[in-house]
Amino acid sequence: GQQVMQIPQYQHVQEGEDFTTYCNSSTTLSNIQWYKQRPGGHPVFLIQLVKSGEVKKQKRLTFQFGEAKKNSSLHITATQTTDVGTYFCAGRRGNQFYFGTGTSLTVIP
Amino acid sequence: DAGITQSPRHKVTETGTPVTLRCHQTENHRYMYWYRQDPGHGLRLIHYSYGVKDTDKGEVSDGYSVSRSKTEDFLLTLESATSSQTSVYFCAISESSAGNQPQHFGDGTRLSIL
Repeated sequence: GQQVMQIPQYQHVQEGEDFTTYCNSSTTLSNIQWYKQRPGGHPVFLIQLVKSGEVKKQKRLTFQFGEAKKNSSLHITATQTTDVGTYFCAGRRGNQFYFGTGTSLTVIP
Repeated sequence: DAGITQSPRHKVTETGTPVTLRCHQTENHRYMYWYRQDPGHGLRLIHYSYGVKDTDKGEVSDGYSVSRSKTEDFLLTLESATSSQTSVYFCAISESSAGNQPQHFGDGTRLSIL
């Protein structure tokens, strides 16, 4: 079964609106990584979170790792058309990363 | 982008035929991974390698085998392809599995089994 759940599956926003995607695991994760995949492309690494409660920012993107290290979120402020793509979380357990199902973001100009 | 080349990029074949996909890297990274990507499932790990001749199973390894005879090459083989193995296959590499290294992905192979 799916080790890491990610919601929502799809999100359509008007340009300038905010966007958030959430990842949840039933078990504790060693760390979590976030990737972005443009349509027709391959996943590209964005960031890694390791510590409980960690928050990291990359310009308009804010990444958070839960206190229990079982959940994570990615928030984009004031979306732009360049943000279009599918965002995946990948939680590490043991030697393997378990990817979420992804959230496909569409930004309407 | 990391130096990762997947071949072929596209392949159409028939059920029951053997298929081998190749991943070649020029980064000298120790770890290599094979994932499949399907709608509604995200990326699922098939097999991974942590060194030459050292491989292990991922969460969806049934029907697949791998080999790594050189650091730079990681082969994925479908011994007898089935329609359920129609998918996009991505290879990824990372410097280590310590959990602090990102995975760099190739451009993918689109495989159709008819």
